[in-house]
Amino acid sequence: QSVLTQPPSASGTPGQRVTISCSGSNSNIGTNSVHWYQQLPGTAPKLLIYSNNQRPSGVPDRFSGSKSGTSASLAISGLRSEDEADYYCAAWDDSVSAVIFGGGTKLTVL
Amino acid sequence: QVPLQESGPGQVKLLGTLSLTCDVSGGSITSVNWWTWVRQPPGKGLEWIGEIYFSGSTNYNPSLRSRVRLSVDKSKNQFFLSLTSVTAADTAVYYCARAPNSGASYRSLDYWGQGTLVTVSS
Repeated sequence: QSVLTQPPSASGTPGQRVTISCSGSNSNIGTNSVHWYQQLPGTAPKLLIYSNNQRPSGVPDRFSGSKSGTSASLAISGLRSEDEADYYCAAWDDSVSAVIFGGGTKLTVL
Repeated sequence: QVPLQESGPGQVKLLGTLSLTCDVSGGSITSVNWWTWVRQPPGKGLEWIGEIYFSGSTNYNPSLRSRVRLSVDKSKNQFFLSLTSVTAADTAVYYCARAPNSGASYRSLDYWGQGTLVTVSS
């Protein structure tokens, strides 16, 4: 069972803005950075956002991350069909000295 | 780029030992990174297995700690996963990945292998 809680699904139409939430606790999100991963169908996960709100080189600025307290969010603006994927949040958890993933959110572009 | 490539048997017998290798090319395994294993059962989410530093220091998922051992071979630029007493629940795509141990991307998984499917069979 994931310690980080994400909604199982999200959806939007092209051009819309969607957000995906990630809820944790003081021992993980409350203390450590949150990272987000995008997994396109049939491929390996890819780092999308690191350290709460930083984009790796090559990631469009349509993707943004934020963190407040023990929760984090991923926002995707100007939704495109190629954004249809699974999205996972993750953080180090001090209480178990391990990385914890959220359960993942399947984003559908309608 | 730091390409990572997993290799190992695609099938393991029930209650046997799963052994995988991750080749690190384009960079040194002695760099300031944690070398990580993540798995994904078919149709399910990601599960962090554990990580190893080139010095041999390790961290493991508490739920797998009793069955997992990670190791590293600096001379071959490889690191390894061993998972004992496997059951059907261990059937998954296994990924190796890199987690920087410093800098802005600290402890993110910034490079991933393509993954390898391991099926536990009876």
